[in-house]
Amino acid sequence: EAGVAQSPRYKIIEKRQSVAFWCNPISGHATLYWYQQILGQGPKLLIQFQNNGVVDDSQLPKDRFSAERLKGVDSTLKIQPAKLEDSAVYLCASSLVSAVSQETQYFGPGTRLLVL
Amino acid sequence: DAKTTQPNSMESNEEEPVHLPCNHSTISGTDYIHWYRQLPSQGPEYVIHGLTSNVNNRMASLAIAEDRKSSTLILHRATLRDAAVYYCILRDVNTGGFKTIFGAGTRLFVKA
Repeated sequence: EAGVAQSPRYKIIEKRQSVAFWCNPISGHATLYWYQQILGQGPKLLIQFQNNGVVDDSQLPKDRFSAERLKGVDSTLKIQPAKLEDSAVYLCASSLVSAVSQETQYFGPGTRLLVL
Repeated sequence: DAKTTQPNSMESNEEEPVHLPCNHSTISGTDYIHWYRQLPSQGPEYVIHGLTSNVNNRMASLAIAEDRKSSTLILHRATLRDAAVYYCILRDVNTGGFKTIFGAGTRLFVKA
């Protein structure tokens, strides 16, 4: 079974530029999550999709971050414009469903973003 | 949302058992206890989860206190490949949006 795929793996941009990350979840997984992980901290949930609908985006900085999951499969996360404090690893995860508290999340390798 | 508390770091010798503690004194009756670990330069991976009873799988064992206010992840024989950050997380289906909140975790160092 293929895992969660993410691209690019690394990205370096200057502040105020735009950047986009792509995620392909495990086939058949209805729920998709985007996390931000700053160095030395645990992952922080940014947004959660159930199929192509947003379940939770309470911690997404909506003035600069946006995410979509067209057709309920792949997802993109965009930052526009980027700030220095956005330097982090962006992790995508998926699970079969979310409304089951024993459900396992499967994480991708992450995209490491450096904003200069 | 119920929070968890873990030591920042722990050290173990190779081939010895490791007990990683987690406190969750505000746990609710519907919270499942999950453990994930994150190897260097990788995304987190699932280790084990439980509700009330102790659980075993091929990776580890989970011991849950009778009052559920704490739990312990047990690695029976630590190897160098077990060096990682271990996260203890509570997941509650009743939380709108089903949030998963990661703390800073415990960094496990394994000595050869």
